[in-house]
Amino acid sequence: AQSVTQLDSQVPVFEEAPVELRCNYSSSVSVYLFWYVQYPNQGLQLLLKYLSGSTLVKGINGFEAEFNKSQTSFHLRKPSVHISDTAEYFCAVRNFGNEKLTFGTGTRLTIIP
Amino acid sequence: DTAVSQTPKYLVTQMGNDKSIKCEQNLGHDTMYWYKQDSKKFLKIMFSYNNKELIINETVPNRFSPKSPDKAHLNLHINSLELGDSAVYFCASSQRAGGYYGYTFGSGTRLTVV
Repeated sequence: AQSVTQLDSQVPVFEEAPVELRCNYSSSVSVYLFWYVQYPNQGLQLLLKYLSGSTLVKGINGFEAEFNKSQTSFHLRKPSVHISDTAEYFCAVRNFGNEKLTFGTGTRLTIIP
Repeated sequence: DTAVSQTPKYLVTQMGNDKSIKCEQNLGHDTMYWYKQDSKKFLKIMFSYNNKELIINETVPNRFSPKSPDKAHLNLHINSLELGDSAVYFCASSQRAGGYYGYTFGSGTRLTVV
């Protein structure tokens, strides 16, 4: 079975500061990894995904994530955050050959002006 | 031109009622899903259909019944609504051919049972 752990439920960050949102996964097989963002009262939007190849993945809105197989991690980073980045961020995992996308519990990113 | 659209956006109803939520996608995807997001924002898959065939059926009360008339539509019917059914329900779609790489979500239906 696959699972995802997001270690931080809330992360407050000052505007223009860097941020890292942590995600660890557990699976007995190879995986695909995703980060989604949910703005208040909206649906989920795909930020970026890791399928194969380069372990550093770049997404929309200046976000990037690094796949680390040995540490089973897929942390999300942004070098300088903006007020508009205030949202809930979800890490998700899917095993090869499995249709099910399993989400972590989410991290609420709050930007402090 | 909404890719995955759900109706209604908000639904307030009394305990014991029966209600339906509809979902339609115009992306040409062959697989559709229902997810439930609880008050703590936790997202859990409920059902998935591929070309009208049920392929994922998680542990969900049998008061919940999905129906997929065609691969572009997936509806969720809920009988005898309970207070604990209050949540946001998200529909999503993806394409099996090519490995389910992209899930596209609808904007959600906020169900409140009173």
